[in-house]
Amino acid sequence: SDELTQAPSVSVSPGQTATIMCSGEALPKQFAFWYQQKPGQAPVLIIRKGRERASGIPERFSGSTSGTTVTLTISGVQPEDEAAYYCQSTDRSGDVVFGGGTKLTVL
Amino acid sequence: QVQLVQSGAEVKEPGASVKVSCETSGYSFTSYDVTWVRQAPGQGLERVGWMNPSTGKTGYTQKFQGRVTMTRDISTTTAYMELSSLRAEDTAIYYCARGRSLNAGYDYYMDVWAKGTTVIVSS
Repeated sequence: SDELTQAPSVSVSPGQTATIMCSGEALPKQFAFWYQQKPGQAPVLIIRKGRERASGIPERFSGSTSGTTVTLTISGVQPEDEAAYYCQSTDRSGDVVFGGGTKLTVL
Repeated sequence: QVQLVQSGAEVKEPGASVKVSCETSGYSFTSYDVTWVRQAPGQGLERVGWMNPSTGKTGYTQKFQGRVTMTRDISTTTAYMELSSLRAEDTAIYYCARGRSLNAGYDYYMDVWAKGTTVIVSS
């Protein structure tokens, strides 16, 4: 299956912009989705179809796509944004694939 | 509101089976898939499989084929996942989630998740 690659960790100070990237060969052909998972909680869908915010998600979260890379941007990071972020897509055989996750630390 | 509520934590011995339930409410049960995703301790997310509650059709990730069975009870809008021949590596949190496809099986995603069920496999 097509893999999705994410950096293991990203650190930013409050109020700064966090950029979390996800790369995979299938991404130009398949939509990407982003989930936020806070410690001890279930994942929450935050971005669908690469760039659409899910219902109730603050405007500081945005998604974009360029070639084989999709990017989650959090503008004006808040302390409550500290979490793991997972990208997800479907591979050429229709299997759901997750990236390994990026742990966002708010310093 | 849309809700998925799972059964409680389980502790099983190696070789046993576990059956986890996922009771849904707040939406048309037969209009969306139920997808099962697991997360081993300190690890990432891994889809176990999916089920179409309307038809009963299922799709299992290859590594779980032969060990997993997904079923449903339409009258109670509840989905079930049974995993057999358990081994220590199956220790994980198992999540059910509402699944949707935007394009005939592709562009699949999970828009509402339950809180998860912890399954511990230990002798």
